[in-house]
Amino acid sequence: SYVLTQPPSVSVAPGQTARITCGGNNIGSKSVHWYQQKPGQAPVLVVYDDSDRPSGIPERFSGSNSGNTATLTISRVEAGDEADYYCQVWDSSSAPFGGGTKLTVL
Amino acid sequence: EVQLVESGGGLVQPGRSLRLSCAASGFTFDDYAMHWVRQAPGKGLEWVSGISWNSGSIGYADSVKGRFTISRDNAKNSLYLQMNSLRAEDTALYYCAKDFGSSSWPPIAFDIWGQGTMVTVSS
Repeated sequence: SYVLTQPPSVSVAPGQTARITCGGNNIGSKSVHWYQQKPGQAPVLVVYDDSDRPSGIPERFSGSNSGNTATLTISRVEAGDEADYYCQVWDSSSAPFGGGTKLTVL
Repeated sequence: EVQLVESGGGLVQPGRSLRLSCAASGFTFDDYAMHWVRQAPGKGLEWVSGISWNSGSIGYADSVKGRFTISRDNAKNSLYLQMNSLRAEDTALYYCAKDFGSSSWPPIAFDIWGQGTMVTVSS
């Protein structure tokens, strides 16, 4: 099965840029999707197909994907961005998620 | 308003069965693939199963293959998950999720989620 690897935690000060990585074998050949989950809430899709944003998601959220690493970038981080973030792909009839990254806003 | 409402969770003994339901509203249900995703307490997300708009394509995670069956009734705007031979490791919050793409398979991404229904497997 396809494995996606994320750092357990990332910390950033308000107003700075947060980068959350998602590693996988030749992940650049797949479409990567990113979800934000706040405590006690259902996940929210924030980036799909590597770098597209659903309607209603701020432009501060962006994504990239190349080689063995996909990256979710959150610019001008706000306190409200503090959450768990998960990457996900479709691979061989299954849809694995990464283990999740807890973003802490200092 | 686009909405997904799960039901059917509860406490069940190991080896027993449970059937989850998801009622959809606010969108053309039979245009979209649908999925079940679960989250064990304090853990990450795990895709469980997905079904195409016309039930022609179905996928399962290895962890549930042979025990769980996904189905849908487009006339009732409903998604189901029949869970048999339940194990303690199936304990989780089960989310119903809508696929992002219309009439697409393989799936694209999960753009609408319900609030989940809790399944606890314990003696």
